[in-house]
Amino acid sequence: EPEVTQTPSHQVTQMGQEVILRCVPISNHLYFYWYRQILGQKVEFLVSFYNNEISEKSEIFDDQFSVERPDGSNFTLKIRSTKLEDSAMYFCASSPDRGTFQPQHFGDGTRLSIL
Amino acid sequence: DQQVKQNSPSLSVQEGRISILNCDYTNSMFDYFLWYKKYPAEGPTFLISISSIKDKNEDGRFTVFLNKSAKHLSLHIVPSQPGDSAVYFCAASATIQGAQKLVFGQGTRLTINP
Repeated sequence: EPEVTQTPSHQVTQMGQEVILRCVPISNHLYFYWYRQILGQKVEFLVSFYNNEISEKSEIFDDQFSVERPDGSNFTLKIRSTKLEDSAMYFCASSPDRGTFQPQHFGDGTRLSIL
Repeated sequence: DQQVKQNSPSLSVQEGRISILNCDYTNSMFDYFLWYKKYPAEGPTFLISISSIKDKNEDGRFTVFLNKSAKHLSLHIVPSQPGDSAVYFCAASATIQGAQKLVFGQGTRLTINP
């Protein structure tokens, strides 16, 4: 069964450094998403992306965050200047565009640790 | 943000019995509700969904019930199996121009005892 894959599984970065989290969505999917889960808290929506532009973003997704689909397969989340509070699990998800409702499929996440 | 709430952090059920997980929501604009299952070190795995215009959806051992007047949904698993032990997340979807925004509950850890 097709899967969403995320790399790396664990990223350790110094505060203030830039980090890029990578995702390969399921190949025929057209909607892409990023979520995060801070330890002990809920999974939170960050951003949705369709047709090479952001569809919606949450309050968390400020100017320090950006997303990009640099080629036909990858979907990236960049944090420009990381803060301690960015430490979390980051999940990528994708869903197809088939007219009817299709659930999002999630990757296994990248654990981001900011030191 | 308390739009979706799962009030039980944990639930323990005997193998073979029914597991019932509950979820409450506050926003009437959600158009779909979903249940995801999560094992440690893995991402959420989709289980079952229900449209806001339905009141029941069944898929094998899993049934989701939606009570719109009470803004409440539940997931029934019967019979429960040891492999069902995981964290279960309720999520509500608001669809904007085809893109879904999922709002998650806190999760309920289900343990199935042999």
